[in-house]
Amino acid sequence: QVQLQESGPGLVKPSQTLSLTCTVSGGSISTNAGYYWSWIRQHPGKGLEWIGYIYYSGDTYYSPSLKSLVTISVDTSKNQFSLNLNSVTAADTAVYYCARVSYDSFGYYVDYWGHGTLVTVSS
Amino acid sequence: NFMLTQPHSVSESPGKTVTISCTRSSGRIASNYVQWYQQRPGSAPTSVIYGDKERPSGVPGRFSGSIDSSSNSASLTISGLKSEDEADYYCQSYDGSTLVFGGGTRLTVL
Repeated sequence: QVQLQESGPGLVKPSQTLSLTCTVSGGSISTNAGYYWSWIRQHPGKGLEWIGYIYYSGDTYYSPSLKSLVTISVDTSKNQFSLNLNSVTAADTAVYYCARVSYDSFGYYVDYWGHGTLVTVSS
Repeated sequence: NFMLTQPHSVSESPGKTVTISCTRSSGRIASNYVQWYQQRPGSAPTSVIYGDKERPSGVPGRFSGSIDSSSNSASLTISGLKSEDEADYYCQSYDGSTLVFGGGTRLTVL
């Protein structure tokens, strides 16, 4: 059973960089079995917003609306992947989920989610 | 890019059947598989349907998915409603390699 756990600061100041790490257990990130390691966020009381994902090889795919501000990286030695979101504003206050996205004959779908971590942007 | 539009809320009584729609704004709904997620308050989403109509292990048969090309929409149907089904439901598809989520539907079991 794959498990994902987000970690990082719960409070970030405006204009700074939001940095989160997701630790994966119960499975290796370094598999070429069609898994993408993803970040998804949810603004308070709102819907889900896909931020982007990374393949074990380091290939990244980002939401067009966030592409200029986001970097997702992977550390296969630690079985972790990370999110950096630059120049944050209060509008980036959200619950951030890490997740595994599977890609197979049924397309792209999230099969495992972290519990989520609330990040508040405030001075 | 396309959008997925869901009704903001639906409600139904226990034991009844409810259907939640997810309409694709452009391109054919059948072009890319649709998935559905359930999110209970304070919890992460979980998958209830993938590949338009497939149920993950552990999801009751009361949950079913379908697509309708005539309305260019996907649907999640929950039969024999239970109070535990009260949650937010999100559809999701993809455009190339990017994920697209619907805005979510709040299901209230009266």
